[in-house]
Amino acid sequence: EDKVVQSPLSLVVHEGDTVTLNCSYEVTNFRSLLWYKQEKKAPTFLFMLTSSGIEKKSGRLSSILDKKELFSILNITATQTGDSAIYLCALTGSARQLTFGSGTQLTVLP
Amino acid sequence: EPEVTQTPSHQVTQMGQEVILRCVPISNHLYFYWYRQILGQKVEFLVSFYNNEISEKSEIFDDQFSVERPDGSNFTLKIRSTKLEDSAMYFCASSYPTGSSYEQYFGPGTRLTVT
Repeated sequence: EDKVVQSPLSLVVHEGDTVTLNCSYEVTNFRSLLWYKQEKKAPTFLFMLTSSGIEKKSGRLSSILDKKELFSILNITATQTGDSAIYLCALTGSARQLTFGSGTQLTVLP
Repeated sequence: EPEVTQTPSHQVTQMGQEVILRCVPISNHLYFYWYRQILGQKVEFLVSFYNNEISEKSEIFDDQFSVERPDGSNFTLKIRSTKLEDSAMYFCASSYPTGSSYEQYFGPGTRLTVT
């Protein structure tokens, strides 16, 4: 059974801090790893990673995958209060459906 | 920017009643999904749909659930006889396969409350 474990479960930082969110996984046949941001309702797509060592970047957010050690990290630099959300890591394996982790609740204080 | 839409945003129903949740996926997408999230828990996969048939389903998706794409744009989830434990946020998602990986885009969800 595919499995996704995220850490930490919650994190409180101040504006301007840099945060690193972790995602480790177990999967039979890896297809892709995805990061989503969930604010009030729907998960919003951030990144999809398929290859090790290639950083994906969007503004202050970046992510990288290590397929040998079976983990990914999501970095957010110069955090803002608008970054407060639950960040979800999800996996596709043999099947196309997403297996989600429990998420990391990020709170950015002014 | 195209997006997945869902209606209604909130549905309250009594135990034993049938509900239909509606979704309009992104128009050129080929795969459609339903997920649910019980309050405080993980997002869980229910079912995926491709080429007018179910391609995968989870253990949660029992005989009480069904999906349909009735008219080429809508994608519906029906729960035949709702139970209290069906109370959750239901998300529809869609994807267009690129290579071997599939970015899935989620709708805003329908909050189902079963009383």
